[in-house]
Amino acid sequence: SQTIHQWPATLVQPVGSPLSLECTVEGTSNPNLYWYRQAAGRGLQLLFYSVGIGQISSEVPQNLSASRPQDRQFILSSKKLLLSDSGFYLCAWAGGLGTEAFFGQGTRLTVV
Amino acid sequence: GENVEQHPSTLSVQEGDSAVIKCTYSDSASNYFPWYKQELGKRPQLIIDIRSNVGEKKDQRIAVTLNKTAKHFSLHITETQPEDSAVYFCAASSVNQGGKLIFGQGTELSVKP
Repeated sequence: SQTIHQWPATLVQPVGSPLSLECTVEGTSNPNLYWYRQAAGRGLQLLFYSVGIGQISSEVPQNLSASRPQDRQFILSSKKLLLSDSGFYLCAWAGGLGTEAFFGQGTRLTVV
Repeated sequence: GENVEQHPSTLSVQEGDSAVIKCTYSDSASNYFPWYKQELGKRPQLIIDIRSNVGEKKDQRIAVTLNKTAKHFSLHITETQPEDSAVYFCAASSVNQGGKLIFGQGTELSVKP
């Protein structure tokens, strides 16, 4: 069966520090991968979307970047965190176009 | 790109009443419409979905309807129970935009016993 792992679960980082969040999927190949951010207002904002290795679509201008070094690995990064980067970050995978997305457990990031 | 609007942002009902959440989408090529439930501090999980070739789908107490002409779809929960209290999200996916899922802003449903 397919599983998705996302870590860490919580993270407190100072302003200006770097960030690296990792997400891996098991039990499937060539998944579509997503990074979403959920701020206090509850909405799920799509940050990055990937349909294959090295193919990443950035959905909003921001202080973050994403990489997909392997088929089932998706990394969210920042060189210098801002206070506004605080939020709940969710990784998700889907088996193809127009199919259910499965979410990881999320990372609660607090920038102080 | 696709834009999904969801209403209301909060909804409070008495146990046993029905709840309805509505969403509209902008991309007429959207063909997949899932609904997710997110309990406090947890990940969103799919509760029901519908494709553009179907007008209605039902699963026990929940149902979803789709009006392609008007570009809106709705979630209906009947005989609500306290455990239905959560945030609900609609989403839309369009082949024109690579099939990515765009979510609505969420509805916080509170079911009062």
